[in-house]
Amino acid sequence: EPEVTQTPSHQVTQMGQEVILRCVPISNHLYFYWYRQILGQKVEFLVSFYNNEISEKSEIFDDQFSVERPDGSNFTLKIRSTKLEDSAMYFCASSGQVAHNEQFFGPGTRLTVL
Amino acid sequence: DAKTTQPTSMDCAEGRAANLPCNHSTISGNEYVYWYRQIHSQGPQYIIHGLKNNETNEMASLIITEDRKSSTLILPHATLRDTAVYYCIVRPIGTTNQGGKLIFGQGTELSVKP
Repeated sequence: EPEVTQTPSHQVTQMGQEVILRCVPISNHLYFYWYRQILGQKVEFLVSFYNNEISEKSEIFDDQFSVERPDGSNFTLKIRSTKLEDSAMYFCASSGQVAHNEQFFGPGTRLTVL
Repeated sequence: DAKTTQPTSMDCAEGRAANLPCNHSTISGNEYVYWYRQIHSQGPQYIIHGLKNNETNEMASLIITEDRKSSTLILPHATLRDTAVYYCIVRPIGTTNQGGKLIFGQGTELSVKP
């Protein structure tokens, strides 16, 4: 069964450093998403991506964040200068041919900012 | 903000049906009801969705009231592995260039007990 994969599973970084979180969505999917979940809190939408551009982003997704689909298979989330409050689980998701199709989530990357 | 109301927690005996309610009294005509679950900080997992008719798949059944203001997710024979947080989400039917984001609330923490 196809699945969304994410690497690394755990990333530890120093405050102010740049991190790139990687995702491989399901191969024939067209819509891609990033969510985050701070420990003990609810899952929060960050950004959606369709047709090689951002289709929607939340207030959390400020200038420190960027997304890219560099090679047609990977989907990345970059945080330019990490802050302590960026520590969270980051989930990638993808969905198929229509925007309201079900989203398939990856296992997440736990980001710890020290 | 999430447009649904769910109980914070519920218990269910193993082998019994788990009935998880959701109130979405402000749902509009172009919004689907989706259910996802999250098992202990794993990525959320799609369960089922519906517009106005009852739906059933291999995981669960979804019963939507005629006025669409509430719904119930039914796990017919709950197992210990069904212990998770269950999220009821209303989501508009997007056009092809809309994000299709999911807005998660706090969900219902279901504990299946032996």
